[in-house]
Amino acid sequence: EAQVTQNPRYLITVTGKKLTVTCSQNMNHEYMSWYRQDPGLGLRQIYYSMNVEVTDKGDVPEGYKVSRKEKRNFPLILESPSPNQTSLYFCASSLLSRAGGHNEQFFGPGTRLTVL
Amino acid sequence: GENVEQHPSTLSVQEGDSAVIKCTYSDSASNYFPWYKQELGKRPQLIIDIRSNVGEKKDQRIAVTLNKTAKHFSLHITETQPEDSAVYFCAASKGDAGGTSYGKLTFGQGTILTVHP
Repeated sequence: EAQVTQNPRYLITVTGKKLTVTCSQNMNHEYMSWYRQDPGLGLRQIYYSMNVEVTDKGDVPEGYKVSRKEKRNFPLILESPSPNQTSLYFCASSLLSRAGGHNEQFFGPGTRLTVL
Repeated sequence: GENVEQHPSTLSVQEGDSAVIKCTYSDSASNYFPWYKQELGKRPQLIIDIRSNVGEKKDQRIAVTLNKTAKHFSLHITETQPEDSAVYFCAASKGDAGGTSYGKLTFGQGTILTVHP
C-alpha cells in the first residue's frame, strides 16, 4: 500500500530532551516536507527536501533540523525542544512536476508532540 | 516570501446550499494552487488543484476559480452534504525550477466548514 508513515504518533517530552520524529514514504517521491499545524495558523512549512541530500528551510525552521540521506526517509530532529514547539506535525511527500513544480502531496498521519 | 490569506475562518451552511471559500496570495510568480480537506482527527487530503494556465477547474460538486490579475482563487462546493464538514486549506507555490523558493508551499489559515442537515 502506497503510504507515508510517521513515528511516533504521540509524544510527551520535557524541555531540552532531544527527539527525532521519523517519516518514511514508499512511493519513490523526490519531494518531502515537514509542516506544523497550530489552531488558527493553518499548516506552516518547517523544512522541505527536493531530493536526496537536498534540504531547504520553509517558513518556520528555527529549532528544527532535518536530513535526507535516503530517498524514502526524512526525519525531523528537535535538538532542544521547547514548549512553543508543542504542536501537531505532518510529514508529506510528492512527485515533482517537470512542467509546473508541485503535484499532490500525500500526508502522513501526524505526530502530536507536547513539550513540558 | 509568499503570503496566503484565507476567508472566512468559519462557514456554516444548510445541507444543499453552496459554500465558497476565498484565498488571496501575494507573490505574482505563484502558479500552483491546491485545496486540501482535513476531516476531524485526520490528515489533509487534496481535493482539487489548479495551475495558472487555466482559470477554472471542476470535479463533480467542487470547482476552483483563479484570477491571476487580482491574485485570488476560490473553492466552490455545490449541493453541500454533511460529509463535506471539515477544515479546508488553500495553498500556493511557485513551479519555476530556477527559483529559490521552488520547494515552498504556503498554506492559508484554514476554513472550518459546517454543513447542517
